[in-house]
Amino acid sequence: QITLKESGPMLVKPTQTLTLTCTFSGLSLTTSEASVGWIRQPPGKALEWLAHIYWDGDKRYSPALKSRLTITKDTSKNEVVLIMTNTDSADTATYYCVHLFEAARFNFWGQGTLVTVSS
Amino acid sequence: DIQMTQSPSSLSASVGDRVTITCQASQDINHYLNWYQHKPGKAPKLLIYDVSHLERGVPSRFSGSGSGSGTHFTFTISSLQPEDIATYYCQQYNNLYTFGQGTKLEIK
Repeated sequence: QITLKESGPMLVKPTQTLTLTCTFSGLSLTTSEASVGWIRQPPGKALEWLAHIYWDGDKRYSPALKSRLTITKDTSKNEVVLIMTNTDSADTATYYCVHLFEAARFNFWGQGTLVTVSS
Repeated sequence: DIQMTQSPSSLSASVGDRVTITCQASQDINHYLNWYQHKPGKAPKLLIYDVSHLERGVPSRFSGSGSGSGTHFTFTISSLQPEDIATYYCQQYNNLYTFGQGTKLEIK
């Protein structure tokens, strides 16, 4: 069974950099085809895919946010980190860490962490 | 970018009703379409993948289909149960990943 858990600040100020960490178990990002990433949901809005990183280090980003996102992995710690620069109020959302199965479907999700961007 | 348009955006139905949600892709996405259930305060849950395949453990009252065009898809609950109250999302993976705007399902 795969479990994922998000951690990071609950509140960041506009223009600051947001760093979120996903700690997972039940999978290894050294295993072929394994992939972990991030999806967010602003209050009252739809789900939005942000980024993914694969076992081989390949990365995919949302075109709309690509210039502001960086995703990295630490296989020794079973962690994936998402960095979002130059935040503003539109980045207020619940951020979910997810497992991407066969580059197709998100079959395991963390519980999510609410991040508020406000001065 | 591929846009996914769901309808209706909200729906009220009675227990036992048959409920149908549609999802329209802005271009042909083949069979690369999944459906999720999202209850307040919980993580979204994968229900159906590749248009019509039921995820393990998901009740058989949930089903999905496609028109064959690669752009029009349908999600159905054959007999609505109280625990099905949630928001439902379609998601394409033909080109990166995009979700529909969601359909909020309520009990009448």
